[in-house]
Formats: sequence, structure tokens, C-alpha cells
Amino acid sequence: EAGVAQSPRYKIIEKRQSVAFWCNPISGHATLYWYQQILGQGPKLLIQFQNNGVVDDSQLPKDRFSAERLKGVDSTLKIQPAKLEDSAVYLCASSLAGNRNTQYFGPGTRLTVL
Amino acid sequence: SQQGEEDPQALSIQEGENATMNCSYKTSINNLQWYRQNSGRGLVHLILIRSNEREKHSGRLRVTLDTSKKSSSLLITASRAADTASYFCATDAQDSNYQLIWGAGTKLIIKP
Repeated sequence: EAGVAQSPRYKIIEKRQSVAFWCNPISGHATLYWYQQILGQGPKLLIQFQNNGVVDDSQLPKDRFSAERLKGVDSTLKIQPAKLEDSAVYLCASSLAGNRNTQYFGPGTRLTVL
Repeated sequence: SQQGEEDPQALSIQEGENATMNCSYKTSINNLQWYRQNSGRGLVHLILIRSNEREKHSGRLRVTLDTSKKSSSLLITASRAADTASYFCATDAQDSNYQLIWGAGTKLIIKP
């Protein structure tokens, strides 16, 4: 069974530039999550999708971050414009349904904003 | 806000010894999960313990949960170099719209 795929693995941009991350969850997983993990901290949930609907985006900085999961499968997370404090690893995870199931994580995208 | 807090922040032991990490949380939970994160790899689920369970085993892992103290411990027996990683607890809190809330992790180093 293929795991959660993410791309790119690494990205370096200048502040005020835009960046997009892509995630393809495990086949059949209805729930998809985007997390931000700053060095030395645990993951922080940015947004949770159930199929193509948003379940929770309360911690997503909506003035600069956006995410979509149009067909209920893969998803993109965009930052526009990026700030220095956005430097982090962006993790995508998926689960069969909701948070009471195990979440499976992709390798993450390490973003550096200069 | 951070629900889980792992203790200690860092732990260094000799290969073959046992490693114990603790997690404390603040509110009532449905379940608590432990994950491992190696450098360069994503988070990997280790074990889930439900609020009505007190102890769970998986291979060399033993997890306990004390809901009266709002704490959990992860014991890794007979540690190996490959166990070097950061370990996170994540709680599915009853009052958080069932989000997983993560601690900052314990960094475990196994010395050969």
C-alpha cells in the first residue's frame, strides 16, 4: 500500500514570495490534514478536510494561507505571501475517517523563507 | 494551545537500557496516541490507548494511561540505536472538536 505522498520535499524562497505544497493521501482515506511543525515543536493542525469539505481551519492564517481538496483526493496548501516565521516543515496526513483513527503522515516539505 | 507535554525534553541512554517518557495533558480525552519521528522521516504511529484502557503493549513498547492524573507513559524496553528519534504524544480531547493536540516531544538518543 502506497503511503502519503508529498512534494516538493524541500523549498527555499524569499519572503513575500508564494509557494505551494501538494499532498496525495492514502487511497480510500476520507480525512486529510495539513500540519505545520516548527523546529523543536510538535505539529500544529492548520486544516482538516473530510472528503472535499473543510472540517476545521481555525488555526489557518487565512490572510496568507489557503488550501483546497477539490475532488476529495489530493490537496494543495498555498502560502501567499510568505513570511520568515513560515519557515517550518509542512506535514500532510490522512486517516480513514476522523481523528479517532490512526493518522498516516507523509515525509513533509521543509520550507525555508529567507 | 498545547494539550500534551512530554517529559523529559531529551533523554540519552545506552543501547540495551530501557527508556521511559511521560506525557501529561489538561482535559478529558477519548484516546491518546504515541508517534515517533526520525530525522528525515515523517511521523509514524506507534500505539493508541483509549480512555477506558490502562495499559497496552506492542512489541518492545508498553504504554500506560492514568486518566485520574491525566498522564501517560511510554516505555521502550531493550533499546536499540534505531530507536533514536523524537517521540510525541497526541491526545484526542473531548472538548477540541476531536482534533489531535500534540506535545513538543521527547528527543531520545540511544548511545551504542
